[in-house]
Amino acid sequence: TQLLEQSPQFLSIQEGENLTVYCNSSSVFSSLQWYRQEPGEGPVLLVTVVTGGEVKKLKRLTFQFGDARKDSSLHITAAQTGDTGLYLCGPGGFKTIFGAGTRLFVKA
Amino acid sequence: NAGVTQTPKFQVLKTGQSMTLQCAQDMNHNSMYWYRQDPGMGLRLIYYSASEGTTDKGEVPNGYNVSRLNKREFSLRLESAAPSQTSVYFCASSDFLGRLYEQYFGPGTRLTVT
Repeated sequence: TQLLEQSPQFLSIQEGENLTVYCNSSSVFSSLQWYRQEPGEGPVLLVTVVTGGEVKKLKRLTFQFGDARKDSSLHITAAQTGDTGLYLCGPGGFKTIFGAGTRLFVKA
Repeated sequence: NAGVTQTPKFQVLKTGQSMTLQCAQDMNHNSMYWYRQDPGMGLRLIYYSASEGTTDKGEVPNGYNVSRLNKREFSLRLESAAPSQTSVYFCASSDFLGRLYEQYFGPGTRLTVT
């Protein structure tokens, strides 16, 4: 069973601050996906990274896949209240097993 | 194009009652999934259906059954509800995109078993 550990579990910051959350595993993945889940909604796919060392940017969000393809990070620049939610990572294969997530709260 | 729809949105059951959670997708996806989400546990896979006519157990199948009625619909049944099944249930669908799958989730069903 592939285990994904996400850290931190919970993060509360002020609007405008920067933050990084992490997704780590002892397994090598062919790809890794990040989802965001807003309160009362289902998760929504943000990005898929497939190459070791790959960096993808989505406006203020920067995603990086580790060189060894065992870990990934999500960096948010100048956080906004709309970034509040649960951030989940999981391998992009069939029958995905997700990490427990990082719950982010951005205060105005 | 509604994506993935789930009914009901909320449900309260007494211990021992049964119910079926309904899920439908209009994206012509082959694969469908049922997850449960509990505080601090993330999403755990209950059952999945790789394609119409097939179903398989996920991480936490005990106490549940599923039916892939057709390509669009995948239902989850609780035969005898228990308080431990209090959770938020999400249905998802996906299809293979050359190298990987991208999952699309429904809005969830919030179930309380008393």
